[in-house]
Amino acid sequence: QQQVKQSPQSLIVQKGGISIINCAYENTAFDYFPWYQQFPGKGPALLIAIRPDVSEKKEGRFTISFNKSAKQFSLHIMDSQPGDSATYFCAASYFGNEKLTFGTGTRLTIIP
Amino acid sequence: EAQVTQNPRYLITVTGKKLTVTCSQNMNHEYMSWYRQDPGLGLRQIYYSMNVEVTDKGDVPEGYKVSRKEKRNFPLILESPSPNQTSLYFCASSLLGSGTSGDTQYFGPGTRLTVL
Repeated sequence: QQQVKQSPQSLIVQKGGISIINCAYENTAFDYFPWYQQFPGKGPALLIAIRPDVSEKKEGRFTISFNKSAKQFSLHIMDSQPGDSATYFCAASYFGNEKLTFGTGTRLTIIP
Repeated sequence: EAQVTQNPRYLITVTGKKLTVTCSQNMNHEYMSWYRQDPGLGLRQIYYSMNVEVTDKGDVPEGYKVSRKEKRNFPLILESPSPNQTSLYFCASSLLGSGTSGDTQYFGPGTRLTVL
């Protein structure tokens, strides 16, 4: 049972454009939603995270939008750069359960 | 430097030959975890440990063993590897675990395992 569904599987965006990756979850107990970024040959690293008490969180060019009623959250990368080319994973967890449940990943490629 | 280290980084072995992948963290983290990453399936948790001598199954524990005798080390053991365990493996650690406080999980560099 996949509790966090991520789309698209791959995404190509032109430099300077907006990259958008979407995730949907089923378990309404989830209350922590991080995004991890993974470069080739490296382990994933935390990029940005949100809790459901806010609808949006912004850090530089990266923004998480959160829709609690729809059980969806998304990552927006503004002014996408070639250095943003990586695989992105959404994830979710909840109080009292220490594990992170990951989405299936999105391979993002930024072309000049 | 705060980090999670894994060894070996690459390993090619044959079916049935026992192997151990080591994981060590120097951040005094309580929580450690092993994941496997497969194309189209994302990261799936194999085992995790809340503290020394406390381990529990993740989503895909079959064919794997772990131990946590020291806080810093969390080895992954494949007693009799099979080709379906060919994958990219990551060890991760966090201070307390993600649920309670939203702690960041820090990942190692990965171990690419091929079982022939």
